[in-house]
Amino acid sequence: EVQLVQSGAEVKKAGESLKISCKASGYRFTSYWIGWVRQMPGKGLEWMGIIYPDDSDTRYSPSFQGQVTISADKSISTAYLQWSSLKASDTGMYYCARPVRCRDGVCAGGMDVWGQGTTVTVSS
Amino acid sequence: DIQMTQSPSSLSASVGDRVTITCRTSQSITGYLNWYQQKLGKAPKLLIYAASSLESGVPSRFSGSGSGTDFTLTISSLQPEDFATYYCQQSYSTPWTFGQGTKVEIK
Repeated sequence: EVQLVQSGAEVKKAGESLKISCKASGYRFTSYWIGWVRQMPGKGLEWMGIIYPDDSDTRYSPSFQGQVTISADKSISTAYLQWSSLKASDTGMYYCARPVRCRDGVCAGGMDVWGQGTTVTVSS
Repeated sequence: DIQMTQSPSSLSASVGDRVTITCRTSQSITGYLNWYQQKLGKAPKLLIYAASSLESGVPSRFSGSGSGTDFTLTISSLQPEDFATYYCQQSYSTPWTFGQGTKVEIK
């Protein structure tokens, strides 16, 4: 079974660093892009970026470029999303998801498998 | 960035109704348009990819159409389990973008 399992909820203070994870199983991790999506409380979905674990090719949304770092460790089939200095406005739910039917970063298949989400709460 | 305009933002409908949600993009994305359903407290679920292809396991009452800049998600006969929020998303060029969402509520 193809699965993405995310790390648990985090409660942090503004200015702290954080790294959350997304462990993939049931498929060849290095053959698929993996992406991150934010959902702030009561709001819609925001695409943050994607990474291709085989060569670490990473594409960011301009809204998140410089604010977060997306990485992957192919030896343990895990993708990461990290912050060096959290803000209260980073509070939200973060999902990882697997885009499919991709070629050169253009994906015709949507994101077919999603993690369960990681809640990040940042207090000021 | 490609802008997504999804409408309506919410609608009320009854079980059995035909429901249509539209998504317009700021430039042509050919057919790289996907639709998701999200229920409260859950991760989104892929319904339709490439504008009109039904994801495996999704009921056939869901269908998608369109190309270029105008797209539609149709639920032919709304069921109780379909009350949720629906999002369109383009995967034609990065940054990928989502529509604002359409909340489908019980009338």
